[in-house]
Amino acid sequence: RKEVEQDPGPFNVPEGATVAFNCTYSNSASQSFFWYRQDCRKEPKLLMSVYSSGNEDGRFTAQLNRASQYISLLIRDSKLSDSATYLCVVRDNYGQNFVFGPGTRLSVLP
Amino acid sequence: NAGVTQTPKFQVLKTGQSMTLQCAQDMNHEYMSWYRQDPGMGLRLIHYSVGAGITDQGEVPNGYNVSRSTTEDFPLRLLSAAPSQTSVYFCASSSTGGYGYTFGSGTRLTVV
Repeated sequence: RKEVEQDPGPFNVPEGATVAFNCTYSNSASQSFFWYRQDCRKEPKLLMSVYSSGNEDGRFTAQLNRASQYISLLIRDSKLSDSATYLCVVRDNYGQNFVFGPGTRLSVLP
Repeated sequence: NAGVTQTPKFQVLKTGQSMTLQCAQDMNHEYMSWYRQDPGMGLRLIHYSVGAGITDQGEVPNGYNVSRSTTEDFPLRLLSAAPSQTSVYFCASSSTGGYGYTFGSGTRLTVV
């Protein structure tokens, strides 16, 4: 089993749609969780950290369920500019190692 | 602050040549890493460092060397380039604790 798994994608959605990405991780000692976005031929960029209480940043909402070892990202009212690959990232309990999921590609269509 | 700076942005090498990819950060981050990303693939960890003088191997270290003589710099050396090393290379840094990575803009390497 891979350490971090994500929906295989790709997701093709119309503008204005709500889309949800799912991620599971295998290391129960993981401490920090993130969502990154990566545009084609660009570096990954931090979208948001994920906290146990859940957190929201505009149209983006992230949730963490430690008991189920599950992370989610919800994008509301999707825009064409949201088209990218979304990476789920987990940092271990020693704070040293980051583990990246394979990513889920999103295409928002006009 | 410049963040994480990688040079060069593009490079073409002949098989057997050696070169060094440069990475520098100005955020006083302890943790630095090198990843490679092949088309349609995820990020794979090559080497990482938790501080000056300390380095360790990641998932795909063969054919690469690193050193960390200062907090700021973490160069990646290709010893004898092979076509299988054609890839995009990303350097990233982070402080210890619960923070995320900051990535450089990448080096696109082609080995012919």
